[in-house]
Parts: sequence; structure tokens; C-alpha cells
Amino acid sequence: EVQLVESGGDLVQPGRSLRLSCTASGFTFGDFGMNWVRQAPGKGLEWLGFTRDKASGGAIEYAASVKGRFTISRDDSKSVAYLQMNSLRTEDTAVYYCTRWTGGFSYGSYWGQGTLVTVSS
Amino acid sequence: DIQMTQSPSTLSASVGDRVTITCRASHIIFTRLAWYQQKPGKAPQLLMSEVFNLERGVPSRFSGSGSGTEFTLTISSLQPDDFASYYCQQYHSDNTFGQGTKLEIK
Repeated sequence: EVQLVESGGDLVQPGRSLRLSCTASGFTFGDFGMNWVRQAPGKGLEWLGFTRDKASGGAIEYAASVKGRFTISRDDSKSVAYLQMNSLRTEDTAVYYCTRWTGGFSYGSYWGQGTLVTVSS
Repeated sequence: DIQMTQSPSTLSASVGDRVTITCRASHIIFTRLAWYQQKPGKAPQLLMSEVFNLERGVPSRFSGSGSGTEFTLTISSLQPDDFASYYCQQYHSDNTFGQGTKLEIK
């Protein structure tokens, strides 16, 4: 059974950094691209970026809204994807989800339960 | 960047109604369009991909259509479990979600 478990969410002050993890199981992690998506309270879904699988080149792409502040990485040996978030702002408060690609398509066929990040002084 | 415009933002309907949600892309995305359902406090669930390919277990009352830049999600006969929020997503170039549609009980 495919499982994705996000962790690392916390209450942090503006300007600080936080790293989220997405631990995968039930499939060969290195064979799949992974997305990060967030949802602010009461708002819609926002795609943040993805990492392709290494066989597809391993490229990482970001949404313009977070490019330069957020960094996506992966450790295939540990079946974990990461989202490093720097210079956090109050508007980054959201539930953060990781999702798994299907084949070469980047839509989210599997989602984790999400982890809450609250940015507040 | 490709923008996705989803409408309506809120839809009030009754059990048994046929409803349609529309998504318009700012550029041609061919068939790279997915739909999700989200219930309060839960992660979104994939309903269909490639415009109309239903995920396993999704009831056949859900259907998708369109190509290019105009797409629709139709629920043929609303059931109580269908009252939720729905999102479209393009995955032709990076990813973009529509703003969402909250389907409410009339």
C-alpha cells in the first residue's frame, strides 16, 4: 500500500526556516516524481514544486511564488522528499502536502495527510 | 505560467441534481487535466486524470470532458457523499490548480 507521511510542521516565527519531510513507503520511491502542494486555511490548493525521478533527469521545478525561498530535494536511499523553507512569512501558514506522480505525469495520484506550518510571532 | 480559471466558486444543489464545474486554461494543455475532490479536514483525492480517466473506485456518475483549454467535470446525479470541494489541475507545464468549487447542499 502506498503511503506518504509528512512531518516537520511547527509554529515558527517570521523570518525563520523549517524543513519538512515526506516519508514514502509501499513503492520504489526512486522511480517516481514527487510534488509539494500547500493549502492555506480556508483557501485553495497551491502547487509549490516537484522533483522528477532520477531516470527522468531529476530536475526540480518551483512555482514562482516560492522560487528562491523554498528548496526541494530527495534522498532515494531513505525514500524521503524534503521541502526546505527559508525566510518564512505569515502567508506561508498552511497545511503542506506531498504527492506522488503517476508514471511520467505529475498529477497527485497519492497524497499524504499533510503537516501544518504556522508562521506567527 | 499557465493559469486555471475554475467556475463557479460555489455551487448550491440538491441530491439527484446534475451539476457541472468548468475549468479554463490560459494556454492549451491538450489533455493534461486532473480533477480532485476534497472533504473538510482531509487531503484531496484524485477523481480522474487525462480529462476523463476515472480513478479506480470513483463512481461512474462522475465524468470529465474537454480538450485544449476548456474542460468540465459533471456529476450526473448528486449523492450526499458528493458535497465537497472540487479542484482542477493542469500538469502540461509544471502544475497549476484551479481556485476550487465548493459544492453545497441547497
